[in-house]
Amino acid sequence: QITLKESGPTLVKPTQTLTLTCTFSGFSLSTSGVGVGWIRQPPGKALEWLALISWDDDKRYSPSPKSRLTITKDTSKNQVVLTMANMDPVDTATYYCVRGVGATWGQGTLVTVSS
Amino acid sequence: DVVMTQSPLSLPVTLGQPASISCRSSQSLVHSDGNTYLNWFHQRPGQSPRRLIYRVSNRDSGVPDRFSGSGSGTDFTLKISRVEAEDVGVYYCMQGTHWPWTFGQGTKVEIK
Repeated sequence: QITLKESGPTLVKPTQTLTLTCTFSGFSLSTSGVGVGWIRQPPGKALEWLALISWDDDKRYSPSPKSRLTITKDTSKNQVVLTMANMDPVDTATYYCVRGVGATWGQGTLVTVSS
Repeated sequence: DVVMTQSPLSLPVTLGQPASISCRSSQSLVHSDGNTYLNWFHQRPGQSPRRLIYRVSNRDSGVPDRFSGSGSGTDFTLKISRVEAEDVGVYYCMQGTHWPWTFGQGTKVEIK
């Protein structure tokens, strides 16, 4: 069974850096063709891809917050970490970790940006 | 970025009746590898999205056969042959051909 779970702070202050961890099971990020990504959804709004990391460490970032994003993986721990710098209230959203092209999703974690 | 445009944005349906959602992309979704990476997702209130259809017309495991996907190039459709109560929620199309992958605005399906 494939599962993913997001963890991290639920509240961050403006200008702070957000660090989210995706811990997964049921697959390996060292397997050819496998990728893990992050998607966010502001309250009541649509979904937005943020970043993707592949088995071969290829990394892709959405152009919008690209300069603020960093995605890394720890294959031995089955984890993928997303950091987003200089958080703003508009970054308030539920952040999802997903396998591949959305084949499997985590439960999501709501991050609120407020002073 | 590729813009995905869904219609309608709101879809009141009668139980047992068919429903159809359209999704159009601002450019062709045919990948250089020959595949078309167009997916459909369903999100119930308070839940994570669930993928229903991948590569235009392939149902994910456990997805009822009343759901079907079709289309090519820039025009795609999700059809529900007979709507059931559990089908309410928001449906999103998503293209995985051109990075950044992008979603449509969502179509809210509710029972009349």
